[in-house]
Amino acid sequence: KAGVTQTPRYLIKTRGQQVTLSCSPISGHRSVSWYQQTPGQGLQFLFEYFSETQRNKGNFPGRFSGRQFSNSRSEMNASTLELGDSALYLCASSYALDRATQYFGPGTRLLVL
Amino acid sequence: QKEVEQNSGPLSVPEGAIASLNCTYSDRGSQSFFWYRQYSGKSPELIMSIYSNGDKEDGRFTAQLNKASQYVSLLIRDSQPSDSATYLCAVNTGSSYKLIFGSGTRLLVRP
Repeated sequence: KAGVTQTPRYLIKTRGQQVTLSCSPISGHRSVSWYQQTPGQGLQFLFEYFSETQRNKGNFPGRFSGRQFSNSRSEMNASTLELGDSALYLCASSYALDRATQYFGPGTRLLVL
Repeated sequence: QKEVEQNSGPLSVPEGAIASLNCTYSDRGSQSFFWYRQYSGKSPELIMSIYSNGDKEDGRFTAQLNKASQYVSLLIRDSQPSDSATYLCAVNTGSSYKLIFGSGTRLLVRP
């Protein structure tokens, strides 16, 4: 099976811009979670989607949003970017989150200038 | 108190030794526990999952879970320089659809 894929892999934006990141889960996986990883904060949970519904959300401002499509692909959107949004954004998929293992994609490295 | 705590390290062990990585968690309702390995600049990769008290072995890796003590550990036998990475402990409480990660322990295996 192909693994989790994320696009783009690298991205440079300027403050105030918005960005959309994409994640395609492993075939058959319906749960997609998004995380932000920074050296100072570690891996922080953004949100999780299952069958196009957001089931849980982390403690991030409302300018971070996401959605999931009927084919389980997911997007994460961040608006009005700040310097502190520079991070590795990771997507993970699982068949179903409860007790199920999450498999991570390669991540999108976002740099905000 | 952080929900999942790990010693940041670095933990330095000689090649061939046993590396012991520890993790404590605060939510007694936690049901699923995972260890991930992350090389610098890469994404986390799953090493092991454990759900029941006791030991679970997979090759050179052994995960140990003690729910009464709210403690989970990972032992790496015959450590190799290629095991040098950051090891992340993750916990799923079962009541929320998310994994809570510790800050990770950096392991250095000296040749």
